[in-house]
Amino acid sequence: ETGVTQTPRHLVMGMTNKKSLKCEQHLGHNAMYWYKQSAKKPLELMFVYNFKEQTENNSVPSRFSPECPNSSHLFLHLHTLQPEDSALYLCASSQVTGTGKKLFFGSGTQLSVL
Amino acid sequence: GQQLNQSPQSMFIQEGEDVSMNCTSSSIFNTWLWYKQDPGEGPVLLIALYKAGELTSNGRLTAQFGITRKDSFLNISASIPSDVGIYFCAGQLTGNTGKLIFGQGTTLQVKP
Repeated sequence: ETGVTQTPRHLVMGMTNKKSLKCEQHLGHNAMYWYKQSAKKPLELMFVYNFKEQTENNSVPSRFSPECPNSSHLFLHLHTLQPEDSALYLCASSQVTGTGKKLFFGSGTQLSVL
Repeated sequence: GQQLNQSPQSMFIQEGEDVSMNCTSSSIFNTWLWYKQDPGEGPVLLIALYKAGELTSNGRLTAQFGITRKDSFLNISASIPSDVGIYFCAGQLTGNTGKLIFGQGTTLQVKP
């Protein structure tokens, strides 16, 4: 148990569906992240939130819409996805510090887009 | 852009053998992190390094922060079947951004 909980663990959706991924951290951190992990590719940073404010968007398509209502919760809203969006989506949290930043990851949501 | 080169990409070893993997970059880092990821799970932090030359152990795992601050090494001694997984390095860049860069991962398989 890393203190970061993601739901659902698995998700299958059609290209016209709308779904949301949820992440909750119980570590008292103030930064939260969404990463995408595709087979045979490095972890791709998607979004960063510091103190509920989005500080980074790595040119992510608008069909992915993040939401961070508070420092403990992070959502990723999905709509009109493409099959190539199938991947493991990982949430992580950390303290917002200039050095010594340690990310703690959730177990991920394995997403399949049909 | 910044990049981490992690090697080897994969390893297939006999139980009981020692394992070494490393990450190198042209950029300078102020933190190195090593993670392990089991199938279907998220990466779990194994070791964190904060100073050049630092050598830190976690059980049978030992990691070092290279003195040039551009590389790091992870060693696993006397491997066991549950060491199977993907190992990632991550380096935090110096400067205000503190951006974390991940390596491509080393897939370890252990034959009993």
